[in-house]
Amino acid sequence: GESVGLHLPTLSVQEGDNSIINCAYSNSASDYFIWYKQESGKGPQFIIDIRSNMDKRQGQRVTVLLNKTVKHLSLQIAATQPGDSAVYFCAESGGTYKYIFGTGTRLKVLA
Amino acid sequence: NAGVTQTPKFQVLKTGQSMTLQCAQDMNHEYMSWYRQDPGMGLRLIHYSVGAGITDQGEVPNGYNVSRSTTEDFPLRLLSAAPSQTSVYFCASSYSNRGYEQYFGPGTRLTVT
Repeated sequence: GESVGLHLPTLSVQEGDNSIINCAYSNSASDYFIWYKQESGKGPQFIIDIRSNMDKRQGQRVTVLLNKTVKHLSLQIAATQPGDSAVYFCAESGGTYKYIFGTGTRLKVLA
Repeated sequence: NAGVTQTPKFQVLKTGQSMTLQCAQDMNHEYMSWYRQDPGMGLRLIHYSVGAGITDQGEVPNGYNVSRSTTEDFPLRLLSAAPSQTSVYFCASSYSNRGYEQYFGPGTRLTVT
């Protein structure tokens, strides 16, 4: 809900532009990563995942880049639309069911 | 498919009261979990289950109990509510622990006064 996002960094993007959301992950042993989208008042929704043996994976309008050297993950959204407005966060896993979730970035799409 | 359902959507408790948050999924997923989401923090795992009859603790299990008697249901019990348990609670399920996305429920917003 809204109260969860009070202290989040915000990225404002013009409609139609590309968005890049970044995530620094914590565990160098993590080998599986997920990006989630969370709209206000709803549960997180899976967007795309990537394994550590890849450095790039593309989906529909989204691309995830993984840089293991600096433990950095990014989500690129092409041609950002108003419906993309939400909180985006990454999650990492090191081979177990226990994921570590980032705090998230709020994406605001400007008309 | 209804996916993952949670009840109630909102709940207000007084300190010391107990209650059960319900979670059900109709996707025949083996893996289910409970998370809490607090302002400025990522989702934190409370308890999880890898199948009926099997549960384990997550990162923040204190004050919560779970059981998994069926594949479909995974209730979360608050034994004696405390203000620190004020949070938004999400249940999730997945087919596997690796390589498959988790499906999250809509959440329960709990306030403990």
